[in-house]
Amino acid sequence: AQSVTQLGSHVSVSEGALVLLRCNYSSSVPPYLFWYVQYPNQGLQLLLKYTTGATLVKGINGFEAEFKKSETSFHLTKPSAHMSDAAEYFCAVSDKGGATNKLIFGTGTLLAVQP
Amino acid sequence: NAGVTQTPKFQVLKTGQSMTLQCAQDMNHNSMYWYRQDPGMGLRLIYYSASEGTTDKGEVPNGYNVSRLNKREFSLRLESAAPSQTSVYFCASSERGLDGGTDTQYFGPGTRLTVL
Repeated sequence: AQSVTQLGSHVSVSEGALVLLRCNYSSSVPPYLFWYVQYPNQGLQLLLKYTTGATLVKGINGFEAEFKKSETSFHLTKPSAHMSDAAEYFCAVSDKGGATNKLIFGTGTLLAVQP
Repeated sequence: NAGVTQTPKFQVLKTGQSMTLQCAQDMNHNSMYWYRQDPGMGLRLIYYSASEGTTDKGEVPNGYNVSRLNKREFSLRLESAAPSQTSVYFCASSERGLDGGTDTQYFGPGTRLTVL
């Protein structure tokens, strides 16, 4: 069975500092990996995804993530945090094939950005 | 394009009441999903529909029923609401990628349900 673990339910950074949100996955098959962001009182929005090919994936708003198979990780980074990055971030995994790709979500990391 | 829309945005029910959450998408997607979001638990899949006319149980289906009314609409019904069903409910849709797996799921704004 697939699963996702997000280390740190709350992360606080200063504006301009590096953002690092951790995600580790478990999958018996090559996974597809996703990061979604949820702003307060809104639905989820895709930040980036890894399917195949290049292991460093760039997303919207300056975020990127690197797929590391040996570490079963897909950590999300941004070099310089902005106040507008304050939100909850979810890592998710899905398997290939099947009639529908069901997503398994992590429990989320709430990012606070301090001025 | 409106994307994925959900109604209502907020609802308060008493224990034992029933209600239907509505979801519609205008992206011509084949697959649709219902999730619930609870603090500290992320999103958990309730039911999904791979295509019009099919529905399947997800991780937490007990106490819910669904109907895929047509390609656009996927409703979630609570027949007899319980306080444990207090949650935020999200509908999502996706189109299968050509290689069979590059779906991006698009989410609606959510319905905040309180059961007293």
